[in-house]
Amino acid sequence: DQQVKQNSPSLSVQEGRISILNCDYTNSMFDYFLWYKKYPAEGPTFLISISSIKDKNEDGRFTVFLNKSAKHLSLHIVPSQPGDSAVYFCAASRNQGGKLIFGQGTELSVKP
Amino acid sequence: KAGVTQTPRYLIKTRGQQVTLSCSPISGHRSVSWYQQTPGQGLQFLFEYFSETQRNKGNFPGRFSGRQFSNSRSEMNVSTLELGDSALYLCASSALTSGGRTDTQYFGPGTRLTVL
Repeated sequence: DQQVKQNSPSLSVQEGRISILNCDYTNSMFDYFLWYKKYPAEGPTFLISISSIKDKNEDGRFTVFLNKSAKHLSLHIVPSQPGDSAVYFCAASRNQGGKLIFGQGTELSVKP
Repeated sequence: KAGVTQTPRYLIKTRGQQVTLSCSPISGHRSVSWYQQTPGQGLQFLFEYFSETQRNKGNFPGRFSGRQFSNSRSEMNVSTLELGDSALYLCASSALTSGGRTDTQYFGPGTRLTVL
């Protein structure tokens, strides 16, 4: 039972344009969502998070949007840079607990 | 502040052996969670420890176990290794919010375990 889904395995974007990564979840009890960036053979690097009491959170070039009614969140990266090329994972938790449920990841490629 | 450290970084074992992996959390973090990453199953939660007690557990067999020490360092152990246990094992540490909830988890570099 995949409670967190990233339906796009890959995404290719031109440098300077916007990258939009999507994530859907099925468990309405999730109340805390995070995005991580990961390179092969390394641990995930935290990017940005959002609590279910909000619908938007920004940090520099990264913005996360949460649509609770649709059980959907997205990560916007503007402008995209070649160094953003990596696999991006969304993750969710209940009661902001220590158990994160991860999506399968989306590989972002930003071309110069 | 130093990040999460994991030792060893790489490990090769044979089927039937057991292995112990170590994780040192960020200073001041008292929650440690462990995850397994494989190509087929993605990132899956193993367990979480807080104040030397297991708080959460994922759907893994009893061959997977862990513990946490009074200094918040944590170890996980896998007994009777199987080929399917080959994976990247990740440790994450977090502080607690003022409300007692787990804050953002920060990950270590992982231990790459290969079972032959």
